[in-house]
Amino acid sequence: DAMVIQNPRYQVTQFGKPVTLSCSQTLNHNVMYWYQQKSSQAPKLLFHYYDKDFNNEADTPDNFQSRRPNTSFCFLDIRSPGLGDAAMYLCATSKAGGIHEQFFGPGTRLTVL
Amino acid sequence: AQRVTQPEKLLSVFKGAPVELKCNYSYSGSPELFWYVQYSRQRLQLLLRHISRESIKGFTADLNKGETSFHLKKPFAQEEDSAMYYCALGDSNYQLIWGAGTKLIIKP
Repeated sequence: DAMVIQNPRYQVTQFGKPVTLSCSQTLNHNVMYWYQQKSSQAPKLLFHYYDKDFNNEADTPDNFQSRRPNTSFCFLDIRSPGLGDAAMYLCATSKAGGIHEQFFGPGTRLTVL
Repeated sequence: AQRVTQPEKLLSVFKGAPVELKCNYSYSGSPELFWYVQYSRQRLQLLLRHISRESIKGFTADLNKGETSFHLKKPFAQEEDSAMYYCALGDSNYQLIWGAGTKLIIKP
């Protein structure tokens, strides 16, 4: 089944220790998104890629970076995690050329100690 | 400004009762509207979108441009409908503008 995969599902890191979350997709979609979702809140878009074009949201902290080495993979790097960065991180993909459904991964739950 | 409003954070109804989850939007262009659902411990997934005009799991949603609404309805709620529901508006930059979500609880 074509899908969006996120690894790891659970990540524990220490305050200030860099962490990388990964996302892969078998849907061959052009657009990939990273969202942060805190408890009982709507997903908050951090950034998205249209192919290799990176689009950062204005209010995404510099602490959050991303890489997309190829169509299938996308990474979220948190350079110095703070306690406030503890959240569920969701990866999603969609086709390009219009407004399409977004397909979500299961998420990575990040805990910051 | 583009905005999606879901006025109810929590909605609790009895099994078999009708359900209506409200969604209002503000958008200057022609809106593309979606309902996404997140069941407990499952990934966020599309429930329906207005252009498909489908009924999914007994749910329907009609776009009312005059009232700028896209309310989600089901005539007879089932316990498995308990979940978090998000209304979302697609913009021209491949992004979704999300409502705050409504937690639906179906009581037995």
